[in-house]
Amino acid sequence: DQQVKQNSPSLSVQEGRISILNCDYTNSMFDYFLWYKKYPAEGPTFLISISSIKDKNEDGRFTVFLNKSAKHLSLHIVPSQPGDSAVYFCAASASGGGADGLTFGKGTHLIIQP
Amino acid sequence: EADIYQTPRYLVIGTGKKITLECSQTMGHDKMYWYQQDPGMELHLIHYSYGVNSTEKGDLSSESTVSRIRTEHFPLTLESARPSHTSQYLCASSESRGIQETQYFGPGTRLLVL
Repeated sequence: DQQVKQNSPSLSVQEGRISILNCDYTNSMFDYFLWYKKYPAEGPTFLISISSIKDKNEDGRFTVFLNKSAKHLSLHIVPSQPGDSAVYFCAASASGGGADGLTFGKGTHLIIQP
Repeated sequence: EADIYQTPRYLVIGTGKKITLECSQTMGHDKMYWYQQDPGMELHLIHYSYGVNSTEKGDLSSESTVSRIRTEHFPLTLESARPSHTSQYLCASSESRGIQETQYFGPGTRLLVL
């Protein structure tokens, strides 16, 4: 049973436009959410995070939105650049106990077209 | 951000061999993790450690073992490699800051067992 779902395996966006990557979760205990970017044959790179007490966090071109009632978060990248082409993973953690690892989605492959 | 290193980056080995994947971090982080990822799939936690002499198994069952004798070092060992162990292994670390922690990843080791 997947607790973090990224339903779009891939997304193609034109350079300069906005990229919107979506993530849904089922575990109401999750209270911290992260986005990672991963190039092939490399480890994930941390991009941005958001706590469940907020509904928006912004860092440069990256903004993450959290809708707790819908158990949904999204990552907006604007403007999209060629270097943004990578696989993006949504991850979540619960502070209430259990293993302290992150629960990941399967990732969305973002392709920025020139 | 953590400086975290993994060696080797790539390993091709025959069935039955013993292997150790190295992971080191220079930030003095208390917590360290090992994840396994197959292509197109999510990352799965296989081991984690809260500190020296502390190791726990993660959500995904693994035949590998880990040790944490020094804060900065968290090696993973497979006593007898099998083709089913072929995967990417990712090491991560985090600093305990309250209840919400960001994990930082190494570059990963791609293992191929023939």
